[in-house]
Amino acid sequence: EDQVTQSPEALRLQEGESSSLNCSYTVSGLRGLFWYRQDPGKGPEFLFTLYSAGEEKEKERLKATLTKKESFLHITAPKPEDSATYLCAVHSTQGGSEKLVFGKGTKLTVNP
Amino acid sequence: GAVVSQHPSRVICKSGTSVKIECRSLDFQATTMFWYRQFPKQSLMLMATSNEGSKATYEQGVEKDKFLINHASLTLSTLTVTSAHPEDSSFYICSASIRNTQYFGPGTRLTVL
Repeated sequence: EDQVTQSPEALRLQEGESSSLNCSYTVSGLRGLFWYRQDPGKGPEFLFTLYSAGEEKEKERLKATLTKKESFLHITAPKPEDSATYLCAVHSTQGGSEKLVFGKGTKLTVNP
Repeated sequence: GAVVSQHPSRVICKSGTSVKIECRSLDFQATTMFWYRQFPKQSLMLMATSNEGSKATYEQGVEKDKFLINHASLTLSTLTVTSAHPEDSSFYICSASIRNTQYFGPGTRLTVL
């Protein structure tokens, strides 16, 4: 069964304190690993897609990396506006239909 | 690019009534749209996959007669919650797929009294 596990569930950082979020996955044939940001009461906002081990993508203070078993979302010198829930998902064809399987997310709080 | 809208953003209705939620891809055409449900402090649960011009595919445990999905054009999918009850109160989010990536709408908060 395709699965995604994110850790930690919640993370509190001070402004400027860099850290990483983890996403472990098991999927039969990776066709894409996705990172989204979700603010309270809003839909997820697309951040990155990674397709193969060793791939990296960056956007402002965020960098996503991928290995054969997990992905990391590195946050460098975070600011309070980076506070959100970060969701990881893998593209799955389980059950004969194509869909995203989501992790439960990591709630990030950045204090000023 | 890749903007998805939903309407309404909030709806409050009485038990037993039906509610329709619209999902539109504003700047691209989407042959496939998805409907999710999200409970407080939980992740997204896929309800159904909507394909333009054909019947939707529902996930196990989702009642297709209760959650009616219509995908009549390449830019519009609708979800109708029929005979809504308080347990249907939730945050409903749609997404539209382009180039293997799903882009999400802002969500609709449904409250059934």
